[in-house]
Amino acid sequence: GDSVTQTEGPVTVSESESLIINCTYSATSIAYPNLFWYVRYPGEGLQLLLKVITAGQKGSSRGFEATYNKETTSFHLQKASVQESDSAVYYCALGVPYNQGKLIFGQGTKLSIKP
Amino acid sequence: GPKVLQIPSHQIIDMGQMVTLNCDPVSNHLYFYWYKQILGQQMEFLVNFYNGKVMEKSKLFKDQFSVERPDGSYFTLKIQPTALEDSAVYFCASSFGLGGRRAEQFFGPGTRLTVL
Repeated sequence: GDSVTQTEGPVTVSESESLIINCTYSATSIAYPNLFWYVRYPGEGLQLLLKVITAGQKGSSRGFEATYNKETTSFHLQKASVQESDSAVYYCALGVPYNQGKLIFGQGTKLSIKP
Repeated sequence: GPKVLQIPSHQIIDMGQMVTLNCDPVSNHLYFYWYKQILGQQMEFLVNFYNGKVMEKSKLFKDQFSVERPDGSYFTLKIQPTALEDSAVYFCASSFGLGGRRAEQFFGPGTRLTVL
């Protein structure tokens, strides 16, 4: 079936260090899935961080980047220099193009930033 | 940005009772969703809803579950009767459409349901 696997948390990174949270997907029933990173800050609802709908493209937002790699079925989230405000839970997800009524999520990665 | 509200934030009930989880979606959104996350596990799709009807549901959406949005007010998830395995955090989401930019789902903060 379709599934998403991401770095198991919790992950702790020192402020201004670089970050990578791995995400790999399996999309047996979706030919060209759309890929997403969502983030949940403490006390808030899940919100979209970035989205990429075309293989080979890179999405970026708030200093985070992720590249849709169809060959390795990966969509790793990276940031060159993290800040304390990046502490949150990050979720990788995939969806069906033009029918994104059902998102398939990874298990979430809790990120803590050490000041 | 647009907010989705969920009421209550935490609900504790006895097994076999009925529970209704309420979601106040973004005002002009047309598509509504429920997801379920058991502690330590992935958030999983339950159901989506449009124009008064269920569009798609997963195998987690048991017969004891129902959804509705009466009079365009709250979007509700009702579980009757509840079972121990229904204990989870339930997230509501809404979107304006299903494709392109309109498909972005906005999520509520979740309702933690504890079934004793």
